[in-house]
Amino acid sequence: ETGVTQSPTHLIKTRGQQVTLRCSSQSGHNTVSWYQQALGQGPQFIFQYYREEENGRGNFPPRFSGLQFPNYSSELNVNALELDDSALYLCASSLTGQGMNEQYFGPGTRLTVT
Amino acid sequence: AQSVTQLGSHVSVSEGALVLLRCNYSSSVPPYLFWYVQYPNQGLQLLLKYTTGATLVKGINGFEAEFKKSETSFHLTKPSAHMSDAAEYFCAVSVLGHNDMRFGAGTRLTVKP
Repeated sequence: ETGVTQSPTHLIKTRGQQVTLRCSSQSGHNTVSWYQQALGQGPQFIFQYYREEENGRGNFPPRFSGLQFPNYSSELNVNALELDDSALYLCASSLTGQGMNEQYFGPGTRLTVT
Repeated sequence: AQSVTQLGSHVSVSEGALVLLRCNYSSSVPPYLFWYVQYPNQGLQLLLKYTTGATLVKGINGFEAEFKKSETSFHLTKPSAHMSDAAEYFCAVSVLGHNDMRFGAGTRLTVKP
């Protein structure tokens, strides 16, 4: 069973640029959630994708967008990067069905905006 | 909306001592509660979860937590700390029908030899 993988591991961007982060879900999972974890804080929910559509969104501006592909992998895109976007971005996969299924997290992508 | 509060951003114990990490939740409907552990430069690993049923939940690495509805608490305990337990611990809450998981700010556990 393959776990959740994310790429790249680290990324440095300049303010105003755009970035794409990638996530491959765990085998058998059909749902991907993205979280932002600022330094010294808990993860904050950005959005979730299920059946290739956004299925819930946290308090993040529209310049945060995403995609889910038929193989359930996902991308997080951030436009017009700001310094405050510097954080660890975590992807979590789960299996949507009856009841609450736990989310399995990837190792994260550390984004630094200068 | 549901939320969690973790009491104490930093807890320090001696090796072999009891570990107690506190979490209180707020939810207007029955919650699902989770504890995750995060080691430096890594993602989150699920320690244990409470959904329904037995209120005392046992997890990995000797950790357990008890759901107390009357106290709106879900504290994490381990009878005897090990050096390898040093990490950041996060309590999280979710509810059926909601897609997001709400995390606390985290508690950093230090284990002294």
